[in-house]
Amino acid sequence: GAGVSQSPSNKVTEKGKDVELRCDPISGHTALYWYRQSLGQGLEFLIYFQGNSAPDKSGLPSDRFSAERTGGSVSTLTIQRTQQEDSAVYLCASSLVPRPNTGELFFGEGSRLTVL
Amino acid sequence: EDQVTQSPEALRLQEGESSSLNCSYTVSGLRGLFWYRQDPGKGPEFLFTLYSAGEEKEKERLKATLTKKESFLHITAPKPEDSATYLCAVQFGSGYALNFGKGTSLLVTP
Repeated sequence: GAGVSQSPSNKVTEKGKDVELRCDPISGHTALYWYRQSLGQGLEFLIYFQGNSAPDKSGLPSDRFSAERTGGSVSTLTIQRTQQEDSAVYLCASSLVPRPNTGELFFGEGSRLTVL
Repeated sequence: EDQVTQSPEALRLQEGESSSLNCSYTVSGLRGLFWYRQDPGKGPEFLFTLYSAGEEKEKERLKATLTKKESFLHITAPKPEDSATYLCAVQFGSGYALNFGKGTSLLVTP
């Protein structure tokens, strides 16, 4: 069956440009997370969606980062005026139930962002 | 201060050589501790959830245990295909996020 799909898989951009990263969660999954994974670092939580609303945005590192989710499905993470420290793999995960206490998240393969 | 600390950072085992990975946590109000496996270039894959001290879960050669301060992932008679990074995460309080450690990179050689 279809898993979590992320695009692009790789993105190289110049410092100062804006980028959009897309996540297609598993159909019917109401919970959606964005994480960031930098070399040598653990997964860093960015934002949590329940349906189309984001009750937890506490992990967004600056106001250059924003995310939205439409139709309870696709989500887009936007990074404005990219900086070299934004270079990382951005991972999306979804779960069938809201606030998944089971901890069972289904991750995509990530979008690797390189800012030159 | 890190909430989740994993050790060792890297571990190299011979095939069949059993060992344990450690995950210690400092949060209060633990709602769950989770183990994931991540292969290079892939997203993490869920393995186990543990909710309370004394709980154990098993899957093939893997067994996860939980105390009030830490969790262990025991690997019995590992095979080369068990080579991966193993991630530990916790969920606590009223938060929505799973908070991950930096992982243990495991290499099992034939």
